[in-house]
Amino acid sequence: GAVVSQHPSWVICKSGTSVKIECRSLDFQATTMFWYRQFPKQSLMLMATSNEGSKATYEQGVEKDKFLINHASLTLSTLTVTSAHPEDSSFYICSASLTSGSSDTQYFGPGTRLTVL
Amino acid sequence: GQQVMQIPQYQHVQEGEDFTTYCNSSTTLSNIQWYKQRPGGHPVFLIQLVKSGEVKKQKRLTFQFGEAKKNSSLHITATQTTDVGTYFCAGQESNYQLIWGAGTKLIIKP
Repeated sequence: GAVVSQHPSWVICKSGTSVKIECRSLDFQATTMFWYRQFPKQSLMLMATSNEGSKATYEQGVEKDKFLINHASLTLSTLTVTSAHPEDSSFYICSASLTSGSSDTQYFGPGTRLTVL
Repeated sequence: GQQVMQIPQYQHVQEGEDFTTYCNSSTTLSNIQWYKQRPGGHPVFLIQLVKSGEVKKQKRLTFQFGEAKKNSSLHITATQTTDVGTYFCAGQESNYQLIWGAGTKLIIKP
């Protein structure tokens, strides 16, 4: 089946530094990838929709200059948290959309736990 | 690597019939979470099961976590049109990463 990986699985960084998270679709091409943020026992909060070769579409309230998204290829999207602060500590999950015929199926990555000290 | 198998991929039911989706993990989990994704929407957290053999109910939804903490099920009694969507399980191990099932799409037959 379709597999989505994320790297790193966890990261600890100092306040003010930038962190890049990669999301890869391993065995399929994904024209659309999604980035989510999740707090414990809460729903996935959509941050942005990433389309290959174009600018990401950010949800209301998400700072595009702080959360930089690059979807350079059909199998890779990256999320860079710039100048990270402790309030950015969270679980970040990506998903990749696979289109087959008239249906779209989302496959989720395992998540990246970011802790900002 | 770690896997969570979820079956069935699709289930068509008449409104009022029951629905069940099953998840099996290749490894022992610290907890398992269930999410519902409506068509065009994004996953909404339903519940987290932590204890071996745990059973939890939310109205018509019953969630079970197996004794070995490797399998789980979600059962919906007397489905309604509002239940339509894809139900995902996600197992969590001690490293916090989620291992997602592929989802079961519930389709209500007209």
